This record gives sequence, C-alpha cells and structure tokens, in this order.
Amino acid sequence: SAVISQKPSRDICQRGTSLTIQCQVDSQVTMMFWYRQQPGQSLTLIATANQGSEATYESGFVIDKFPISRPNLTFSTLTVSNMSPEDSSIYLCSVVSRSAYEQYFGPGTRLTVT
Amino acid sequence: AQSVSQHNHHVILSEAASLELGCNYSYGGTVNLFWYVQYPGQHLQLLLKYFSGDPLVKGIKGFEAEFIKSKFSFNLRKPSVQWSDTAEYFCAVNPPSNTGKLIFGQGTTLQVKP
Repeated sequence: SAVISQKPSRDICQRGTSLTIQCQVDSQVTMMFWYRQQPGQSLTLIATANQGSEATYESGFVIDKFPISRPNLTFSTLTVSNMSPEDSSIYLCSVVSRSAYEQYFGPGTRLTVT
Repeated sequence: AQSVSQHNHHVILSEAASLELGCNYSYGGTVNLFWYVQYPGQHLQLLLKYFSGDPLVKGIKGFEAEFIKSKFSFNLRKPSVQWSDTAEYFCAVNPPSNTGKLIFGQGTTLQVKP
C-alpha cells in the first residue's frame, strides 16, 4: 500500500483568498487524483493530476478555480482559488497502486472558508 | 446519467445483527467495484474490491460483497456487526474508461448500538 500525506491538515481561510494543498506519496505512482467531500456528502472527483502535463478536469471543475500541479511521480498540489464559503469541504488526494490497481486516499485537508 | 446508488443512507443496528448495504451502478461494460469505509475521524480505507473471477469477495474485518452482474449490484454484507463497525460506508465504481478514477455512491452511515 501507499502512504500518503497532505498538508495542511486543516485551514480556515477568508473569502477571496487562495489555498494550496500538498500531497506527498512515499512511492512513485502513475495515477493521482483529487477529490472533494462536501459536508455530509460523498466524494466527488475534481481532476486527474497528470505528471508533466495539464490535469484532466471533471465536469463542473475548471483549471482557473482548481489549478493542479504534478511535477513528479510522488507529489502534487491542488490550489483552491478565490475561495467562497461554498468551497468549504474536505479535499482528498488519492493514488492508484501499480501492482494491485487499488486506490488509496490521503487523510484529507479540511477547509473552512469564512 | 451514469451513476452509483446506495439505497440506505442511514442504518441503525444492534450488535450481532446482520448487515446488508445495497449498491447499484448504471455503467455498462466491465467495471471494477469497491467498498470503502471511513471510521469517525479517520481517512478512507479499502474494505474490499472486485475486479473479476468469483463474484463473492471477502474483505477485511469480516465483510464480504457479492457482485451480481445481471442486477448491476455489489452489495456489502456482514453476518454479525460490532459496535466498532460504526462508520460511513461508500461504494465506488471504476468505470470502463480505464482511467483509474472512482465514482462514489452517496454513502451509508452505519450506527451500531452496543
């Protein structure tokens, strides 16, 4: 299994500001994803973080709002830009293991926008 | 629209009762199926998965699930629940696009009374 860490674990931010969330994996992985879990709801995929190229966004999510970087096979960042209270969620990074095709999730970043 | 549906949103059981949580999906073709659990204050953990072969799969902590292709279902079962099984349970599908991404159901909150 992969060990995933995220920073920060939680933050409280003001409306209109931006926050960058980091995801670090302890081994090289081919696939990395970013999900959002809004309060009391399930997980929704934001985008696939592609190494060396632009992320692939799901319907309803755009690069200007959620820019993603993935400079190598063990690290990715997600930025939540120009935040509003509706962005208050838990943001999770996940990776797919090469061997078992299982997806592992990080501990999440709990974001509150005031 | 293609989706994953979990029929039970909130389930309350007494210890030693049997559990069955329903999950249906609407994707055609070959899919990979997963059940994840999120214990209070913890991150998502993989309970079990189905890729191919025996449609009855066994996971951790005494959980099992049965894939019924004709019904597009992947129901989670446990013969006798424990108080420690209190958690949020998510069914997830890896659609036939083979991009690795997961589509989650709405989640089921299980509360086990001691």
